[in-house]
Amino acid sequence: TQLLEQSPQFLSIQEGENLTVYCNSSSVFSSLQWYRQEPGEGPVLLVTVVTGGEVKKLKRLTFQFGDARKDSSLHITAAQPGDTGLYLCAGARGNQGGKLIFGQGTELSVKP
Amino acid sequence: GAVVSQHPSWVICKSGTSVKIECRSLDFQATTMFWYRQFPKQSLMLMATSNEGSKATYEQGVEKDKFLINHASLTLSTLTVTSAHPEDSSFYICSAPSTGRETQYFGPGTRLLVL
Repeated sequence: TQLLEQSPQFLSIQEGENLTVYCNSSSVFSSLQWYRQEPGEGPVLLVTVVTGGEVKKLKRLTFQFGDARKDSSLHITAAQPGDTGLYLCAGARGNQGGKLIFGQGTELSVKP
Repeated sequence: GAVVSQHPSWVICKSGTSVKIECRSLDFQATTMFWYRQFPKQSLMLMATSNEGSKATYEQGVEKDKFLINHASLTLSTLTVTSAHPEDSSFYICSAPSTGRETQYFGPGTRLLVL
């Protein structure tokens, strides 16, 4: 059973389009992180959201944590080819020493 | 910011040999580190939690005698793949949590190819 459902798993769009990636769970998380990973490299942290309802912006990326802290979304505005990569959401529970539960990942391809 | 390194970045070995991968926290101490395995275009699969001064905690389905973990100091954890076989070929990544444990810092990964 996947505790953190991430969708879509694959997304191919044209430069300039907008997109949203979702992570959903029936469990509550103390925090949720979003990572971006390029082939052959480790994941790079984009953002950590902690408070229910929190919205964080990172240039063209907008991250939202659900009010109940069970879900999160990543919205990219006017996608660019440089946004291509694997996006991962990961949830943490406060009593597990930093252990993360990862979603399945979203492979994004932005074509020029 | 916090940095985690891994060594080697890639390794090719013959079937039956053992391979050791190091994970170091460079500017902070980590009493806990995590080891992941990742197949192409898939998410990270947690293998085990490495604990400084005590035994590692393995996830269900991960053979502890196959994947030996040693957390030698507050800045170093090692993963040894014993008697490696071609099916062990994968991308191995380690991570260490921040002091508040709400953020993970990931290493750059080690690509293992077993021939």
